[in-house]
Amino acid sequence: DQQVKQNSPSLSVQEGRISILNCDYTNSMFDYFLWYKKYPAEGPTFLISISSIKDKNEDGRFTVFLNKSAKHLSLHIVPSQPGDSAVYFCAASGRGIQGAQKLVFGQGTRLTINP
Amino acid sequence: NAGVMQNPRHLVRRRGQEARLRCSPMKGHSHVYWYRQLPEEGLKFMVYLQKENIIDESGMPKERFSAEFPKEGPSILRIQQVVRGDSAAYFCASLAGPSSYEQYFGPGTRLTVT
Repeated sequence: DQQVKQNSPSLSVQEGRISILNCDYTNSMFDYFLWYKKYPAEGPTFLISISSIKDKNEDGRFTVFLNKSAKHLSLHIVPSQPGDSAVYFCAASGRGIQGAQKLVFGQGTRLTINP
Repeated sequence: NAGVMQNPRHLVRRRGQEARLRCSPMKGHSHVYWYRQLPEEGLKFMVYLQKENIIDESGMPKERFSAEFPKEGPSILRIQQVVRGDSAAYFCASLAGPSSYEQYFGPGTRLTVT
């Protein structure tokens, strides 16, 4: 049962253009969403997050959009830079046992920025 | 990765041996999560611990796996009698407290079972 889905395993974008990574979820109990970036042989690095009470959050070149009715979120990176090449994971969180906020991850999208 | 430490970074075990993975959370963080990532997959939640307490172990296999977070020292994920299917990257994440959402991950331990 894949509650968080990233349907594009890979994405290739020209340097300087916009990168758009998509994520869908099925569980309406999720109340917080996060994006992580991961380089090979390293742990995921937190990028940006959004609460379910908002529809947009912006931090520098990164913007996350949330469409609750469609159970869809997206990460926009503009302008894209070569250092952005990595695997991006979407994650969702909901209060569980004793407030446990375990994250449910998508499968990841490998973003490649071409010079 | 924001100060979460894991060791060892790489661990090779033969089938049937025990694997011990250690995680020291960020300073001031008292909540630890363990996740496992199989090749070409996303991370899967295993267990959530606070100091001296297992809060949620719903993602842990019922047999051979255990975790602890003692009052002093790192959190430990123990896998007994390892099998080839245990080969994966194991990540630890820490959280400042129940009102926080952003989990900060360590570099991971890559376990290879031969």
